[in-house]
Amino acid sequence: AQRVTQPEKLLSVFKGAPVELKCNYSYSGSPELFWYVQYSRQRLQLLLRHISRESIKGFTADLNKGETSFHLKKPFAQEEDSAMYYCALSGPGGSYIPTFGRGTSLIVHP
Amino acid sequence: DAGVTQSPTHLIKTRGQQVTLRCSPKSGHDTVSWYQQALGQGPQFIFQYYEEEERQRGNFPDRFSGHQFPNYSSELNVNALLLGDSALYLCASSLVQGTEQYFGPGTRLTVT
Repeated sequence: AQRVTQPEKLLSVFKGAPVELKCNYSYSGSPELFWYVQYSRQRLQLLLRHISRESIKGFTADLNKGETSFHLKKPFAQEEDSAMYYCALSGPGGSYIPTFGRGTSLIVHP
Repeated sequence: DAGVTQSPTHLIKTRGQQVTLRCSPKSGHDTVSWYQQALGQGPQFIFQYYEEEERQRGNFPDRFSGHQFPNYSSELNVNALLLGDSALYLCASSLVQGTEQYFGPGTRLTVT
């Protein structure tokens, strides 16, 4: 069965510190991996996906198939990065049942 | 474009009752997915509708059913409500079998 694990419920850092939000997955096949973000009083929105290999708001995530991980990283955290982050997985093409992790709350202190 | 809209915002029901939640997708989108998000958990996939048919379904009982209309809007129906059905219900829209989903603000359902 497909599964997404985000081991940290809460991650607290100071402004300017590096950030790494962990995500591990299990899936038989070639999954598509995503990070979604939910800022306070806003709706859930896509932050980035592994196939686009782009950096959004300074965040990057590399798919490591050997370790089945898709950790989200940012070298210098900003206060406005404080939010709830969800890692998600879906199958390619027609095998599309999205699975979300439980989320990690990131708090960036001034 | 208002994006994905959902109604109502909040709802309180009694155990055993039935409820209907509504969703209008983002302009141009033809696929609607529904999620249940319990407190402290990530969204759990309920089902997805495309061309007025249920295309994919998560691990939810038959008490959860849905419908998609010709204008792509959708309804989620839950029968015989249980206390455990209390959650935030999210609707997301996308293009057919596309992977980027746009989420609505959710409907908070409380079952007493």
